[in-house]
Amino acid sequence: GNSVTQMEGPVTLSEEAFLTINCTYTATGYPSLFWYVQYPGEGLQLLLKATKADDKGSNKGFEATYRKETTSFHLEKGSVQVSDSAVYFCALSPTGANSKLTFGKGITLSVRP
Amino acid sequence: DTAVSQTPKYLVTQMGNDKSIKCEQNLGHDTMYWYKQDSKKFLKIMFSYNNKELIINETVPNRFSPKSPDKAHLNLHINSLELGDSAVYFCASSQERSGRGELFFGEGSRLTVL
Repeated sequence: GNSVTQMEGPVTLSEEAFLTINCTYTATGYPSLFWYVQYPGEGLQLLLKATKADDKGSNKGFEATYRKETTSFHLEKGSVQVSDSAVYFCALSPTGANSKLTFGKGITLSVRP
Repeated sequence: DTAVSQTPKYLVTQMGNDKSIKCEQNLGHDTMYWYKQDSKKFLKIMFSYNNKELIINETVPNRFSPKSPDKAHLNLHINSLELGDSAVYFCASSQERSGRGELFFGEGSRLTVL
């Protein structure tokens, strides 16, 4: 079946530190890959996505590259801010008309001033 | 205007009661979802409707019954509430039924069963 594995958290960083959050997936075919972010007390919102191998998604200084050879979609940001403190979810959607989005367990990021 | 709105935001009730959560989206999307988020933040899909038709029905107890009166609304009714039903329930919508498009989430409804 399809699955998404995220690195264990939580992660605590100082402001302006470099961020990497690992995500690997298991799926047949060519899934679409996503990062969603959940700020405290809110619902999830799409951060970025990639729909085919070697695509790079980017938004708000965050980037992730779809690596089919390593089945990975790691999230990176060069310099985090306190406002980036949130829960980050990696997700995949396989091909198919009624396919569903499968989420990883989520990882909590705390950025201290 | 809120794109996906859920009511109530908080719900505290006793075991054995029946409760409903309502969801409305004003984005013109055809597909709506219910997700359950447990205390460890793990998200699991429960149901999905496309234009009032049930298209995804995960293995959830039949005490949970979704209803979609029209494509802009998807309600969740829960009978005989149990302690394990305590969670945050998120409604979401998307333009595509394939799951490959962006999902827009509501702010969640926190259900606490005592």
